[in-house]
Amino acid sequence: DAGVTQSPTHLIKTRGQHVTLRCSPISGHKSVSWYQQVLGQGPQFIFQYYEKEERGRGNFPDRFSARQFPNYSSELNVNALLLGDSALYLCASSLRQESSGNTIYFGEGSWLTVV
Amino acid sequence: KNQVEQSPQSLIILEGKNCTLQCNYTVSPFSNLRWYKQDTGRGPVSLTIMTFSENTKSNGRYTATLDADTKQSSLHITASQLSDSASYICVVSANTGFQKLVFGTGTRLLVSP
Repeated sequence: DAGVTQSPTHLIKTRGQHVTLRCSPISGHKSVSWYQQVLGQGPQFIFQYYEKEERGRGNFPDRFSARQFPNYSSELNVNALLLGDSALYLCASSLRQESSGNTIYFGEGSWLTVV
Repeated sequence: KNQVEQSPQSLIILEGKNCTLQCNYTVSPFSNLRWYKQDTGRGPVSLTIMTFSENTKSNGRYTATLDADTKQSSLHITASQLSDSASYICVVSANTGFQKLVFGTGTRLLVSP
């Protein structure tokens, strides 16, 4: 069985551009969350989607948006890129919305470099 | 403010030795605590999950403990191997109804031959 898959694995963008990152959760999983991990720090929560609806949002500006599709895959969009958006973007997949008793699986991430 | 602090920041041990990593948290209301292993540039991999009522959880050579009263957790690695070299991240969930994980900054472990 495939794990959590993310694409692209690496990309380089210039300041002001827009980026779309994609995530396919484990088959049967309905929850997808997005995290930003800046080099040397722990991941920071951006969004959680469950059953195609936003269930939680972290402290990120409105330049960050996401959506979940009927097949439970998800896209993270970032507009007007800043140098500080350079990070590893992680997608997390789980069966249920809540965290309790729920194993959460991470993808390998998408490395975004903004120049 | 929900925070997770880990110590030490980095650690070097000889292959075959044991080590213990520490985690203190202030996340409230507490739901569960996880330890993840993360290789550089890769996604985190789950090692253990513990709820409020669990004091210890093992996964092979990894043993995690939780003291919910003092809000402390530890991860003990037994008979370390070179492949254990990675960052170990303590992650705490608040009981918010949705899945918001609060990550520590990790302990970077290097196992030396």
